[in-house]
Amino acid sequence: GNSVTQMEGPVTLSEEAFLTINCTYTATGYPSLFWYVQYPGEGLQLLLKATKADDKGSNKGFEATYRKETTSFHLEKGSVQVSDSAVYFCAFYSNTGNQFYFGTGTSLTVIP
Amino acid sequence: GAGVSQSPRYKVTKRGQDVALRCDPISGHVSLYWYRQALGQGPEFLTYFNYEAQQDKSGLPNDRFSAERPEGSISTLTIQRTEQRDSAMYRCASSSRLGGSNEQFFGPGTRLTVL
Repeated sequence: GNSVTQMEGPVTLSEEAFLTINCTYTATGYPSLFWYVQYPGEGLQLLLKATKADDKGSNKGFEATYRKETTSFHLEKGSVQVSDSAVYFCAFYSNTGNQFYFGTGTSLTVIP
Repeated sequence: GAGVSQSPRYKVTKRGQDVALRCDPISGHVSLYWYRQALGQGPEFLTYFNYEAQQDKSGLPNDRFSAERPEGSISTLTIQRTEQRDSAMYRCASSSRLGGSNEQFFGPGTRLTVL
């Protein structure tokens, strides 16, 4: 069935460190892929998305590339800031099921 | 309003009571989604609407859960005869266009606690 598996947290990094949060998916058809972010005390916000294979989504220094061959959509940032501390959710939309599927979330804390 | 709003933000109820959770989407948004999020988990799809029509309710856990969007704007998620296992954050999201590949804008959620 459809599912999302993302790296478990919590993740703690020092400011300016490199970030990778792994995400793989199991889906039928050709899903659209998303990363959502939830800052403390706020609702989920779209961070970036990619709708077809080899597309790269990017926003606020974050990037993720739609890898169909490995069914992955890993989130990366070259230099994290304290303000990036949040919970990150990988998700996809399945055209065949008309539903969104979310991962369990990865909590990131960036320390000065 | 500027964003999706939900009310109440917090609801504490006793087991067996009915609760109604309200979602007010961004004005003009055609699609509206309901999710449930347990602590430490990602949002889990419940149901969604295009305009006033409920398109998919396969995610509703059982027949105690129902949702409506009678005029294609505000939506209400109703849980009858609440149980402790219903305790969770209930999130609503809306989208300006049909089709799930479009961005969903999430509300702040309603945290439901069933005692």
